[in-house]
Amino acid sequence: NAGVMQNPRHLVRRRGQEARLRCSPMKGHSHVYWYRQLPEEGLKFMVYLQKENIIDESGMPKERFSAEFPKEGPSILRIQQVVRGDSAAYFCASSPGTGDYNEQFFGPGTRLTVL
Amino acid sequence: AQSVAQPEDQVNVAEGNPLTVKCTYSVSGNPYLFWYVQYPNRGLQFLLKYITGDNLVKGSYGFEAEFNKSQTSFHLKKPSALVSDSALYFCAVRFNTGGFKTIFGAGTRLFVKA
Repeated sequence: NAGVMQNPRHLVRRRGQEARLRCSPMKGHSHVYWYRQLPEEGLKFMVYLQKENIIDESGMPKERFSAEFPKEGPSILRIQQVVRGDSAAYFCASSPGTGDYNEQFFGPGTRLTVL
Repeated sequence: AQSVAQPEDQVNVAEGNPLTVKCTYSVSGNPYLFWYVQYPNRGLQFLLKYITGDNLVKGSYGFEAEFNKSQTSFHLKKPSALVSDSALYFCAVRFNTGGFKTIFGAGTRLFVKA
């Protein structure tokens, strides 16, 4: 059973460009979470999605950031008009959603560098 | 406000000695508690969790954690540290505020010296 897949692993963008980060949850998992980790800092929650629904986006910046988890295909975190402050590691996690006490399974992360 | 605290940025311990990584929380209701470990350039890996029942929880790689409701703590422990345990450790709390939410502590870096 493959784990959580994220791609690309590394992404370099110039200021003003768009960044698209993809996450394929573990097989059978219907809940996806996105987190941001800045160097030497902890994880900051961004958004929680189920298939075709955003459940909690309280951690998402109000502008430039969006996320989706379509019925088919991976979850996408999209950052428009990137700025240097967006440089960070972005982690996706999934859980089966069959119980609220389930642990999350994390992907290897996408490291975004904005030049 | 709901919060999770890991009061130590860094813990240093000699190989073979016991280790403790501290975690305290402040949330309403009965939370679910988790520990994760992160190795360099990797995602987080689940270590153990407390849901209900016995306050002492055993997890992967010989780690255990003790839930203390009166002190609202969930400290991670291991009787004998290994150099390979050196990593970043995160405590997490999942709680219900009209929908479940998970918050992570800031992380504690563990250095185990040979």
